[in-house]
Amino acid sequence: GAGVSQTPSNKVTEKGKYVELRCDPISGHTALYWYRQSLGQGPEFLIYFQGTGAADDSGLPNDRFFAVRPEGSVSTLKIQRTERGDSAVYLCASSLMQLGVGTVRTEAFFGQGTRLTVV
Amino acid sequence: AQSVSQHNHHVILSEAASLELGCNYSYGGTVNLFWYVQYPGQHLQLLLKYFSGDPLVKGIKGFEAEFIKSKFSFNLRKPSVQWSDTAEYFCAAMIKAAGNKLTFGGGTRVLVKP
Repeated sequence: GAGVSQTPSNKVTEKGKYVELRCDPISGHTALYWYRQSLGQGPEFLIYFQGTGAADDSGLPNDRFFAVRPEGSVSTLKIQRTERGDSAVYLCASSLMQLGVGTVRTEAFFGQGTRLTVV
Repeated sequence: AQSVSQHNHHVILSEAASLELGCNYSYGGTVNLFWYVQYPGQHLQLLLKYFSGDPLVKGIKGFEAEFIKSKFSFNLRKPSVQWSDTAEYFCAAMIKAAGNKLTFGGGTRVLVKP
């Protein structure tokens, strides 16, 4: 597609439920990033994929959060036993290659995010 | 740990006024710096980026930023703002030694009054 696509755009769920958030990166982009943006704050890094593998998952807050990218394209962020504190906008970004590597001055393109509300 | 600070949370100004948004980062090594903008209802977009070379970087829509290594700063400027510059602005840093991930500041909401 023309840009990074995230679905759904809004998700309301009850505390304790399981949710999945989907990200479709720009075609051909090998690197994919998940960020979380809470109200009044900047985006916080969650996890980064290079191809199918999670190259860095140091930002995942706890083991209720998990993300996959089985075919190196679409990624799903999964949250188990949701809590009210998980309410935020979840952003996905993709880049042609891993940011900062080599001399290619690539950039990350962001989707519009999924607004998750846990009630 | 790497951190990025934006000292102004909200800025209100009139059209044609000059804008300067502050950004400081905490790491002293090799760093890549970025400014992103988020217009109301839209996704984050890259305004400009600094990797190396000339510390004065020019971006889209008349924005520029100056990297001052001695001050650990990367302030964003625009000489004359327009109503359409109303948006939230985020500074971000990437440190190779800390992995290839962007660390964002808390953002500055800019309101330009017509």
